[in-house]
This record gives sequence, structure tokens and C-alpha cells, in this order.
Amino acid sequence: SSELTQDPAVSVALGQTVRITCQGDSLRSYYASWYQQKPGQAPVLVIYGKNNRPSGIPDRFSGSSSGNTASLTITGAQAEDEADYYCNSRDSSGNHLNYVFGTGTKVTVL
Amino acid sequence: EVQLVESGGGLVQPGGSLRLSCAASGFTFSSYEMNWVRQAPGKGLEWVSYISSSGSTIYYADSVKGRFTISRDNAKNSLYLQMNSLRAEDTAVYYCARVGWQNYNDYFDYWGQGTLVTVSS
Repeated sequence: SSELTQDPAVSVALGQTVRITCQGDSLRSYYASWYQQKPGQAPVLVIYGKNNRPSGIPDRFSGSSSGNTASLTITGAQAEDEADYYCNSRDSSGNHLNYVFGTGTKVTVL
Repeated sequence: EVQLVESGGGLVQPGGSLRLSCAASGFTFSSYEMNWVRQAPGKGLEWVSYISSSGSTIYYADSVKGRFTISRDNAKNSLYLQMNSLRAEDTAVYYCARVGWQNYNDYFDYWGQGTLVTVSS
């Protein structure tokens, strides 16, 4: 099955911009979706499709994609954005449906 | 308001069985595909299983194939995961997650709060 690779951790100063990347072969065929997870809580969808935000997600979250890499950008990071972030896509390998999650990125807001 | 509420987790011995349930409300459950996703303590998310809206199409991760069975009862607005031959590595929080669709792109738009399964002697 495919893998989605993310940097384990990134830090960003309060109010600055941070980009989280996700690399994998499946991203050449499918858009990634992105999930925010705070300690002890369930994941929350923040970006899906080409660059769509669910209702209630601040517009400082945006997504982009090129080749085998998807990116989640937080423009003007806030303290409440400190969390783990996971990308996800369908898995294009194999002969039946699979989903694959990225390895996760811990975002620290300084 | 969409709600997904998992139940059925607990402590089970290796080789044992457990049945998880996910009660759905706030949407037309029979119209949506559903999944189970798990997260081992301190680890990342792992997709476990998928079921179509009618229940006619089912997929599993290789790690659980042959041991886990996903099912649903649309009349009861419920999703299930029967877990047999449990191993220590199955220890995780198990989430049910709804599939959303837009422009041929799918994603997990709503998640339950999770239920903890611990496999240990």
C-alpha cells in the first residue's frame, strides 16, 4: 500500500505562517484532506478537495497540491492551532479501496 | 447536528473478541458511506475498514483482514465492527467516521469521540 510522509514536527511564531507538507504517490491521483487533532480529542476535518474548508474552519487554513505533494498552510497561526495535523487520501495502489493517512505533523505555536 | 457516538470498547485478552458500535444521528445515515479508523496510544491514525451506504461493498486494511468484520444496520442508524482474534497491536482508540463527497473527492467529514480497546492479559 502507499504511504504519505509528513515532517514529524514544525514550529511557528504566533501570527506567522507555517506550511505542512505531505508526500506520496497517491497524491498524483487524489486530493489530500487534512485533519487537526488536539490532545485527547477526535480529529477534525480542516481542508478537503482542491482547497475547501468546512463550515467553522477559519480562513487562515488553506490547502494546495502539486505533483506528489500536498500542503496545508496556516497563515497567521494562533495559539489554538497548536495540534497534530494529518493528511489523508485514497490509496491508489492495490486492487481495492484503501485510505492512507500521513505520518502526522506536530505543530507548535511559539 | 451530526453526531457519531462509539461504544463497546474495553479490556480484552489476546485472542478474544469485541464488538464496537457507532450510533449515528442528525443525518440520513443510510445515504452515507462509513469507516472505522484507529489510533494506537501515542501513534498516528490508521484506516481500518470501509462500508458503502447500502452495506454491499466492504474493504479492510491488510492488518485486520480476516479478523475484523464491518457491518451496518440502516434501520437502527448504527455501524458496527466485530473484532475477533485480537492482538496486542490492536490496542487503540477506534473512531467511526462519515465519508463526505464533493466533486469526486472524498474525505472524512465527521468523526465520533472514539472508544478505547485495550488488548492485554
